[in-house]
Amino acid sequence: SQKIEQNSEALNIQEGKTATLTCNYTNYSPAYLQWYRQDPGRGPVFLLLIRENEKEKRKERLKVTFDTTLKQSLFHITASQPADSATYLCALEDNAGNMLTFGGGTRLMVKP
Amino acid sequence: DAGVTQSPTHLIKTRGQHVTLRCSPISGHKSVSWYQQVLGQGPQFIFQYYEKEERGRGNFPDRFSARQFPNYSSELNVNALLLGDSALYLCASSSSSLDEQFFGPGTRLTVL
Repeated sequence: SQKIEQNSEALNIQEGKTATLTCNYTNYSPAYLQWYRQDPGRGPVFLLLIRENEKEKRKERLKVTFDTTLKQSLFHITASQPADSATYLCALEDNAGNMLTFGGGTRLMVKP
Repeated sequence: DAGVTQSPTHLIKTRGQHVTLRCSPISGHKSVSWYQQVLGQGPQFIFQYYEKEERGRGNFPDRFSARQFPNYSSELNVNALLLGDSALYLCASSSSSLDEQFFGPGTRLTVL
């Protein structure tokens, strides 16, 4: 069966450090992978989309990698700030392209 | 520009009742998707509608139904409510496909 796995344990890091979050998947052949941020009680906010033929994508302090051989995406936040504290979700379309599946999310806590 | 709007914000129902949730997409977006999010988990895909037609359906019972209107707004209906239907219901719009979803604030449904 198709699975998307994110570390369910919260990630605690010190302000200024780089946060790295992992998204692993099985039985998908995704054309692209998406990352979203979600704050408590709010809807997710789209951050980045990376396509299967892209190894890396950057947006300001964010960097995403996509390894279709390892079936893994890494999400990095450099120079992290307390305002980056949130839950980060990865998402994939199913192979038929008509359903979006989210991972369980990883909660990031950046301490000042 | 207004973002995705959802109504109502909160709703309390009892088991066996039915509920209708409403969503207005971003102007110009023709695709609306519905998700259920239980506390501590990622959003689960329920439906996608595009140009008033169902394009995708997640693994939810037939008690869940939806429709999209000519102005691209959408309704999600849930019949015969169960305690387990208590969740945050999210609506997301996009221009056509499932990439870069814009989420609304959600409707918090509590079933007693």
